[in-house]
Amino acid sequence: SQTIHQWPATLVQPVGSPLSLECTVEGTSNPNLYWYRQAAGRGLQLLFYSVGIGQISSEVPQNLSASRPQDRQFILSSKKLLLSDSGFYLCAWAGEPHGYTFGSGTRLTVV
Amino acid sequence: GEDVEQSLFLSVREGDSSVINCTYTDSSSTYLYWYKQEPGAGLQLLTYIFSNMDMKQDQRLTVLLNKKDKHLSLRIADTQTGDSAIYFCAVASGGSYIPTFGRGTSLIVHP
Repeated sequence: SQTIHQWPATLVQPVGSPLSLECTVEGTSNPNLYWYRQAAGRGLQLLFYSVGIGQISSEVPQNLSASRPQDRQFILSSKKLLLSDSGFYLCAWAGEPHGYTFGSGTRLTVV
Repeated sequence: GEDVEQSLFLSVREGDSSVINCTYTDSSSTYLYWYKQEPGAGLQLLTYIFSNMDMKQDQRLTVLLNKKDKHLSLRIADTQTGDSAIYFCAVASGGSYIPTFGRGTSLIVHP
């Protein structure tokens, strides 16, 4: 069966520090992978998606970047965090149009 | 682009039925989903419906789709305290399986 792992679960980082969040998927190959951010208002904002290794589509220009170095690995990064980067970050994969499978999320607090 | 709207809160008594409503704007929407998010967790796919269906039932869950009014609802029968969570409606169109999410409805179940 397919599983998705996301870590860390919580993170407190100072303003200006770098960020690296990792997501890996097991039990499937060539998955479509997504990074979402959920802010305090609860809406889900699509940040990046990837349909294959090295292929990244950015939905919202901002202080973040994404990379897909391996088929089942998706990384969200920042060189210098801003206060506004705080939020709940969710990784998801979609192998078919029957909905996403989400990771358990990373709660990022920038202080 | 697609716009998906949900009311933010719903409060029901344990044992009653809950009905969570969602409206969307894109008439070409093909795949419609309901997700559940418990506190501090990722989203879990509850159920989905294709646009060529009017209704789908899965145990205590009933999804109704009114394509003419672009209205989707989720009915939870015999609501329990464990059903307390945020419920997200999401809608995607064919060609791009990337759904647009509503802001979520917080369901509060009280004794």
